[in-house]
Amino acid sequence: GAVVSQHPSRVICKSGTSVKIECRSLDFQATTMFWYRQFPKKSLMLMATSNEGSKATYEQGVEKDKFLINHASLTLSTLTVTSAHPEDSSFYICSASGLAGVRNEQFFGPGTRLTVL
Amino acid sequence: DAKTTQPTSMDCAEGRAANLPCNHSTISGNEYVYWYRQIHSQGPQYIIHGLKNNETNEMASLIITEDRKSSTLILPHATLRDTAVYYCIVNEKNTGFQKLVFGTGTRLLVSP
Repeated sequence: GAVVSQHPSRVICKSGTSVKIECRSLDFQATTMFWYRQFPKKSLMLMATSNEGSKATYEQGVEKDKFLINHASLTLSTLTVTSAHPEDSSFYICSASGLAGVRNEQFFGPGTRLTVL
Repeated sequence: DAKTTQPTSMDCAEGRAANLPCNHSTISGNEYVYWYRQIHSQGPQYIIHGLKNNETNEMASLIITEDRKSSTLILPHATLRDTAVYYCIVNEKNTGFQKLVFGTGTRLLVSP
């Protein structure tokens, strides 16, 4: 149990276009989802926290108008990178909060690799 | 900022035990030690967590010092598939609602 999927796994787009990444909790309801970004050979950096039905909370330095997050249901959150530029190329990872037995844990998706040309 | 420090990299021979240290000298009384790992180009995978007692599961063992200022993750019989970056994170329990602050982790290379 506790499976989180992301789609697409890999995307290449032209500079200036927008890209949407989906994060789904497949077998549990996730009230909270997190979006991380990871540059090559670097650690994961949290971008934002989203709670179902409310606005996302962005970390300092993350542009909320550029990285649009929607968490409209308990199983789906989306991250849209608007007007993407080459510096937005990165590995984007989501995690979802759910119950594993009596323990509340974050379960991570497999990641989406974005390349902006 | 991450509250932990870990060696940048470690090597281990296949079949041997891999012992990964972590320092968390500023850990507070209500914070747990969590370990995750990230295999190349995948999302992080939960390994184990503990408060003050040693813990063991099917993946690994966690040894926490009595003063709780450091811990060691032990993979008893490392395999090639254990090659990954291992992250030690301190956080309050119920991490589901709290952001995880990842440090630089330890890159473990398991060789034949």
